[in-house]
Amino acid sequence: KAGVTQTPRYLIKTRGQQVTLSCSPISGHRSVSWYQQTPGQGLQFLFEYFSETQRNKGNFPGRFSGRQFSNSRSEMNVSTLELGDSALYLCASSRGLAGYLREQYFGPGTRLTVT
Amino acid sequence: TQLLEQSPQFLSIQEGENLTVYCNSSSVFSSLQWYRQEPGEGPVLLVTVVTGGEVKKLKRLTFQFGDARKDSSLHITAAQPGDTGLYLCAGERSQGGSEKLVFGKGMKLTVNP
Repeated sequence: KAGVTQTPRYLIKTRGQQVTLSCSPISGHRSVSWYQQTPGQGLQFLFEYFSETQRNKGNFPGRFSGRQFSNSRSEMNVSTLELGDSALYLCASSRGLAGYLREQYFGPGTRLTVT
Repeated sequence: TQLLEQSPQFLSIQEGENLTVYCNSSSVFSSLQWYRQEPGEGPVLLVTVVTGGEVKKLKRLTFQFGDARKDSSLHITAAQPGDTGLYLCAGERSQGGSEKLVFGKGMKLTVNP
């Protein structure tokens, strides 16, 4: 069974640009969550999608957005990049939204560097 | 304020030593998960505990969920260099009509040969 895949693995952008990251969940998983990980703040929740609907949202500005497609694949977009957006962006999939269904399986992440 | 506090934040030990990592909160969780993350990779799920007082063992790792479901601990016996990594706890709780998963900042473990 293939794991969660994320593309690209590494990305370098300049301030003001926008970026789109992609995540393919494990087959059969309908929930996709996105996290930002930095050394100082740890793992911070961005948003969660289930059946193409955003179910939960973290405390990030509107520059961060996402969507989920009918095949459960998800994308997140960051517009008007800032230096502080440099981080490891992790995608996690789970079968459902509660209990054991919520066990998260993470992808390897996309390392975004903003210069 | 971090909802889930992990301690210690950093630990460097010799191979063969034992250690315990704590994950504490003032909130009640319906379940708690432990993950290990290696550099350059995403976190990998180790275990989920659901019942207050529950103890689960995974080889040399022992996980315990507090009776009140507010805290958890991970004990590693005879640590090995392969145990090196970032250990994260994540608690699931109801908020605003939905179940949310919150992560602690993690405990960075280094096991020296």
